[in-house]
Amino acid sequence: QKEVEQNSGPLSVPEGAIASLNCTYSDRGSQSFFWYRQYSGKSPELIMFIYSNGDKEDGRFTAQLNKASQYVSLLIRDSQPSDSATYLCAVKVNRDDKIIFGKGTRLHILP
Amino acid sequence: DAGITQSPRYKITETGRQVTLMCHQTWSHSYMFWYRQDLGHGLRLIYYSAAADITDKGEVPDGYVVSRSKTENFPLTLESATRSQTSVYFCASRTDGLGYTFGSGTRLTVV
Repeated sequence: QKEVEQNSGPLSVPEGAIASLNCTYSDRGSQSFFWYRQYSGKSPELIMFIYSNGDKEDGRFTAQLNKASQYVSLLIRDSQPSDSATYLCAVKVNRDDKIIFGKGTRLHILP
Repeated sequence: DAGITQSPRYKITETGRQVTLMCHQTWSHSYMFWYRQDLGHGLRLIYYSAAADITDKGEVPDGYVVSRSKTENFPLTLESATRSQTSVYFCASRTDGLGYTFGSGTRLTVV
């Protein structure tokens, strides 16, 4: 059974600080990794994807991947109240057609 | 408009009734997916389709039926609605190598 694990939170971070969201996955064959943001009452929105070990930066967001440890993280620098949302980690195994989602971490940025 | 649209946005139905949720995408993406999202369970895959006339079960297919006669449409039918099918339903499509794009969702209440 492929699994994607996230701490449900809520994770409270002061405005302007770095928010760190973590995710572990069970299948070593996983090749593609995604982070989605979901505001309350809205649909998930893709914000980052990463395929290779290391870091990938996009604006205030950095995705980090460590395949040996089966660990993916998302860093949000200079956190803003508008970053308050649930963040879903998702993993795709190449031999499968599907993406497996974690249950999400609720992030709350404190003004 | 380009994108992926779901209808209706909200639906209330009675136990035992058949109800169909619609999903339409304008990109000609091969893959389409139906998820339900419930508190405590996250996103769970119901059915997916790799192309027209090709469908496959996901994690929670019981009580649901799908069809895909055209690439752009992927309706989900609840044959005899039960209260346990009260949920938010998301349709998504995928381009090869990238994550999913989600529709706005349908909030279904079975009374």
